[in-house]
Amino acid sequence: NAGVTQTPKFQVLKTGQSMTLQCAQDMNHEYMSWYRQDPGMGLRLIHYSVGAGITDQGEVPNGYNVSRSTTEDFPLRLLSAAPSQTSVYFCASKRQAGTDTQYFGPGTRLTVL
Amino acid sequence: GENVEQHPSTLSVQEGDSAVIKCTYSDSASNYFPWYKQELGKRPQLIIDIRSNVGEKKDQRIAVTLNKTAKHFSLHITETQPEDSAVYFCAARAMDSSYKLIFGSGTRLLVRP
Repeated sequence: NAGVTQTPKFQVLKTGQSMTLQCAQDMNHEYMSWYRQDPGMGLRLIHYSVGAGITDQGEVPNGYNVSRSTTEDFPLRLLSAAPSQTSVYFCASKRQAGTDTQYFGPGTRLTVL
Repeated sequence: GENVEQHPSTLSVQEGDSAVIKCTYSDSASNYFPWYKQELGKRPQLIIDIRSNVGEKKDQRIAVTLNKTAKHFSLHITETQPEDSAVYFCAARAMDSSYKLIFGSGTRLLVRP
């Protein structure tokens, strides 16, 4: 199993550009989530999904959209990038909402100029 | 909602000494508390976790203790080694329908050889 994979590893955008961060898992996990990591602020939840077709907002959802059309994929969309969205983004998954162990992807480092 | 506070933000110890990182949580209903280790440029990885029906859990040189009454839990690393140098995050699982993990702000541990 590849586990949780993310693409790209690095990305530089200009203010106002849009892009999609990709996340996939091959463990048949129902629950997937997106976090952003900023210095001194830990990992903050952006959006999460308890299963295909179901998404909900986390702590910091503004400026981001998600969809979950399949169990395997959970893309994160930035519609109009802003410098405040410069961060490292981690995707994570676990078998079901109520299960314990959560696995993280390798991360995407995004810089918005 | 759940809130997790983590202290200290940085910790420097001599190789062979012990290190203790402390976290407090706000929601008395939370029942799952994982600890993640993140090496520089890498993804967070689960190192140990504890459920609310257990007061202490050990795994070789690391242990976690939980005080439900005081709503705090701690990570203990004994006989520290340079490879223990990393950022450590505590988390608590929300007990609403989201089951999301809320993370502390992280502790940067430096083990001096």
